[in-house]
Amino acid sequence: QVQLQESGPGLVKPSQTLSLTCTVSGGSISSAAYYWSWIRQHPGKGLEWIGYIYYSGSTYYNPSLKGRVNISVDTSNNQFSLKLSSVTAADTAVYYCARESRGGGLDPWGQGTLVTVSS
Amino acid sequence: EIVLTQSPGTLSLSPGERATLSCRASQSISSSYLAWYQQKPGQAPRLLIYGASSRATGIPDRFSGSGSGTDFTLTISRLEPEDFAVYYCQQYGSFRTFGQGTKVEIK
Repeated sequence: QVQLQESGPGLVKPSQTLSLTCTVSGGSISSAAYYWSWIRQHPGKGLEWIGYIYYSGSTYYNPSLKGRVNISVDTSNNQFSLKLSSVTAADTAVYYCARESRGGGLDPWGQGTLVTVSS
Repeated sequence: EIVLTQSPGTLSLSPGERATLSCRASQSISSSYLAWYQQKPGQAPRLLIYGASSRATGIPDRFSGSGSGTDFTLTISRLEPEDFAVYYCQQYGSFRTFGQGTKVEIK
């Protein structure tokens, strides 16, 4: 059974870069059947898709994040990572990683990690 | 960007009743690339439906999805106590976007 777990700092200063890692266990991140995704949820709000990466390294990002996003994959450690640059308080959110099947649907999800942007 | 509008915002029902949730897209979603998720407080979302009408693994058959083009529906045939939660639709035909959610609360 595949499980995903987010890790990274819970507090980031404004203008700095938010960095999170998602570790995949119980399955290979190199599978051609899946995309590896990041989603966030602002406190008390809905869900916002950030982007995904394929095991080959190809990426697909939410254009609303205006080039601040970079997602990378480390197949040797079965991990993928999110970097979001020039953060502001508006980037405070719970960040989730999830697996997307090429047939559609995000499943499973990590438990989520709260990142607060504050000085 | 495809905008998804869910209605109603809140649905107040009793256990055993039928719930009908709507998701309308600002433009047609190709190949019915639409999913539904359930989220309970403090938990990650859980995939219920993909491809507009296919149930995800382990999802009870009281959950069903239907629709195509711009209009989609999630139906819960008889509400169980554990079904009271927030439900989101998501399209994956063009980038990915989520609806704003429908809260199903106990009446």
